[in-house]
Amino acid sequence: DGGITQSPKYLFRKEGQNVTLSCEQNLNHDAMYWYRQDPGQGLRLIYYSQIVNDFQKGDIAEGYSVSREKKESFPLTVTSAQKNPTAFYLCASTRGLLNTEAFFGQGTRLTVV
Amino acid sequence: DQQVKQNSPSLSVQEGRISILNCDYTNSMFDYFLWYKKYPAEGPTFLISISSIKDKNEDGRFTVFLNKSAKHLSLHIVPSQPGDSAVYFCAAELSGNTPLVFGKGTRLSVIA
Repeated sequence: DGGITQSPKYLFRKEGQNVTLSCEQNLNHDAMYWYRQDPGQGLRLIYYSQIVNDFQKGDIAEGYSVSREKKESFPLTVTSAQKNPTAFYLCASTRGLLNTEAFFGQGTRLTVV
Repeated sequence: DQQVKQNSPSLSVQEGRISILNCDYTNSMFDYFLWYKKYPAEGPTFLISISSIKDKNEDGRFTVFLNKSAKHLSLHIVPSQPGDSAVYFCAAELSGNTPLVFGKGTRLSVIA
């Protein structure tokens, strides 16, 4: 079955540490995205990538970094520069950027302790 | 500045009745609209969509209506079921290689 997988489901990080969230898809989708969800904020775009080795900043990219070395994988690193990293992170993919439904992973809950 | 607005954070409906979730947008260039459903601690799942060239799209119990002049769309669920209890996100898309823009979501509670 094709799908999009995020891991881990829950992640705890100490202040000052970088942490990487994994996102893998076997849907052969070109475009991948990272969103952050906070209570009352909806889904806000962090980074997106339309093609391998290329990515663009979304609305709230500060304190985050990504890579797209393979079509299937789009890991997100939450760096120590992110001032308020505790949130629910969602990865998504689409065939392209135009008029297509997005498939989402199950999410990663990151908590800074 | 939010381009997609869901002004009702929550909605409660009796089982069997109609649920109406509303969404307003400010950018008249949006040409495709989608609704997603999200259960707690899970990723959103696609529910239904509508192109700007249409004013209605129906899929089973779910119907989306688009009023372009008012920049307003709504999702109707009828009859509502307890399993419909979730957060519903409205999303909009500009043609030309831009990601989806999401509203803040509306939490629907269907009471048995």
